Amino acid sequence: AQKVTQAQTEISVVEKEDVTLDCVYETRDTTYYLFWYKQPPSGELVFLIRRNSFDEQNEISGRYSWNFQKSTSSFNFTITASQVVDSAVYFCALSEWRGGSNYKLTFGKGTLLTVNP
Amino acid sequence: DTGVSQDPRHKITKRGQNVTFRCDPISEHNRLYWYRQTLGQGPEFLTYFQNEAQLEKSRLLSDRFSAERPKGSFSTLEIQRTEQGDSAMYLCASSSPLLGNTEAFFGQGTRLTVV
Repeated sequence: AQKVTQAQTEISVVEKEDVTLDCVYETRDTTYYLFWYKQPPSGELVFLIRRNSFDEQNEISGRYSWNFQKSTSSFNFTITASQVVDSAVYFCALSEWRGGSNYKLTFGKGTLLTVNP
Repeated sequence: DTGVSQDPRHKITKRGQNVTFRCDPISEHNRLYWYRQTLGQGPEFLTYFQNEAQLEKSRLLSDRFSAERPKGSFSTLEIQRTEQGDSAMYLCASSSPLLGNTEAFFGQGTRLTVV
């Protein structure tokens, strides 16, 4: 069975601090995708990044960076120089792979990030 | 086409009443998913459609729940005889085969409160 663990329930930082959100996953599949989504108070899940199981390259997008390590089954997300607008709940998710494509997602419980001015 | 659309955004109903939610996916997206999110939890998979065919239902989807996607476009999720435990955010998502179904685009959700 698929499982995603986000051990940090809440994190509070001061603006401009760097913050890392942890994600550990479990799967027996050899092919899978990992995702991060942001959920602001409005409720919509905003896609941030996906990474497939064969691509362990780290990625940087502006102030966001992701560290994927298959050896530790982790896919951590770092926000550099945090801003108040980064305040939201962040979800890590794992997709199953069936019939040559992704389908349902298994989400972690989320990490509530609060960035204080 | 601006994204996945869900209606209504909020619904308050009395216990025992039936409710129906609608989801309009992004045009040409062949897959449509329903998820449920309770307070403080991540979304949980309920069911999904490929075109008009419902291919999988979670055990979370009790007999009181039914989902349809009659023409492979919009979908409805009906809950009969609502219970207080049904209070949650119901999220719809869609994905495209042109993108290998690698990314699900989510709507803003329907927040259900059963009183």
